[in-house]
Amino acid sequence: AQTVTQSQPEMSVQEAETVTLSCTYDTSENNYYLFWYKQPPSRQMILVIRQEAYKQQNATENRFSVNFQKAAKSFSLKISDSQLGDTAMYFCAFMKPGSGYALNFGKGTSLLVTP
Amino acid sequence: AAGVIQSPRHLIKEKRETATLKCYPIPRHDTVYWYQQGPGQDPQFLISFYEKMQSDKGSIPDRFSAQQFSDYHSELNMSSLELGDSALYFCASSRGRNNEKLFFGSGTQLSVL
Repeated sequence: AQTVTQSQPEMSVQEAETVTLSCTYDTSENNYYLFWYKQPPSRQMILVIRQEAYKQQNATENRFSVNFQKAAKSFSLKISDSQLGDTAMYFCAFMKPGSGYALNFGKGTSLLVTP
Repeated sequence: AAGVIQSPRHLIKEKRETATLKCYPIPRHDTVYWYQQGPGQDPQFLISFYEKMQSDKGSIPDRFSAQQFSDYHSELNMSSLELGDSALYFCASSRGRNNEKLFFGSGTQLSVL
């Protein structure tokens, strides 16, 4: 079974600063997907960014980028120019193709962006 | 653009009652997933369906059952409700079985008193 570990239960960052959320995972698979989901106070689950394991290039989506280290099984999320609306719970998630495409989530990191 | 619709948004039940949660996927999406998120917890995968057949099964209790209908909407039936069933229940949909792009609904908040 795959496990996803987020070692930072809570983090805070000032507006306009950069913050990095860490995520490690354990798998014996070679092909898989990794995700970061954002869950604001509304509790809507919002996809932030997606990475395919066979792609070496790190995914980027505007102010969000990842540092994917496949050998180290690490998948960190960098948020640049943090905004108040980035305040949310962030979940790292793993998906193994062929497993029904079910997501396996980490415990989450609560990010607070302060003025 | 149309999104995943879940109903009801909120549901309050007593212990030992039954509950039915509904999920309407995005048009042309044929795969549906159910997740349970307890208070302060990460979402846990319950069950998924592809083309009206059960695709994968996670940590779904025997008291729960689900199905996908001919119009691709899905229902999660929960019987003999327990206090521990209080959670946010998410539905997600995707197009095709081998598709990692899941779209989540807003969830149904179930409170068991």
